[in-house]
Amino acid sequence: DVKVTQSSRYLVKRTGEKVFLECVQDMDHENMFWYRQDPGLGLRLIYFSYDVKMKEKGDIPEGYSVSREKKERFSLILESASTNQTSMYLCASSLGGPRKETQYFGPGTRLLVL
Amino acid sequence: AQSVTQPDIHITVSEGASLELRCNYSYGATPYLFWYVQSPGQGLQLLLKYFSGDTLVQGIKGFEAEFKRSQSSFNLRKPSVHWSDAAEYFCAVGAGSSNTGKLIFGQGTTLQVKP
Repeated sequence: DVKVTQSSRYLVKRTGEKVFLECVQDMDHENMFWYRQDPGLGLRLIYFSYDVKMKEKGDIPEGYSVSREKKERFSLILESASTNQTSMYLCASSLGGPRKETQYFGPGTRLLVL
Repeated sequence: AQSVTQPDIHITVSEGASLELRCNYSYGATPYLFWYVQSPGQGLQLLLKYFSGDTLVQGIKGFEAEFKRSQSSFNLRKPSVHWSDAAEYFCAVGAGSSNTGKLIFGQGTTLQVKP
């Protein structure tokens, strides 16, 4: 079974702090994704990566950056956390090639910024 | 641009009743379509997917979905709902045109099951 893990289930941070969310997958997937989930808005793509050190902006990249130094690990960074970044953050991964759209999700990190 | 609409934000059904969750998509080519389920406080679990072939797709937990190209729909069904099916359900379409496997998600439908 594909396993995607996220470093924390719950995080509480202060405004202005630098926040790191980590995601690890154990199935040698090429593609990795970060989403945020807010009530009534569904999942919105923040960033994705299709290879080590490669990244592309998603629909809402402002205020976020990412890092992918190893194939299995994809980090989301909030350079200076703000209250409007309070949300549920979901990481996902998928294979490259055909059927690459089948994404597997981690359990999520619920971030509260005070 | 691709988009996905789930017209029902909340649905309540009685345990044992049948269920249909609606999903409409907008996409220029043949879409890749997915249904995911999210239990409270959890990540998303893949229920089923459609890439090609038979338009009636079977998934886990007794769910099925039917792709109807003429209606741009991919509705999720279950003949008899169990209390454990209470969750949020997301429909998604594969953005497909790149090599990156991006998905576009609907807003989600919350299912409540009455005893």
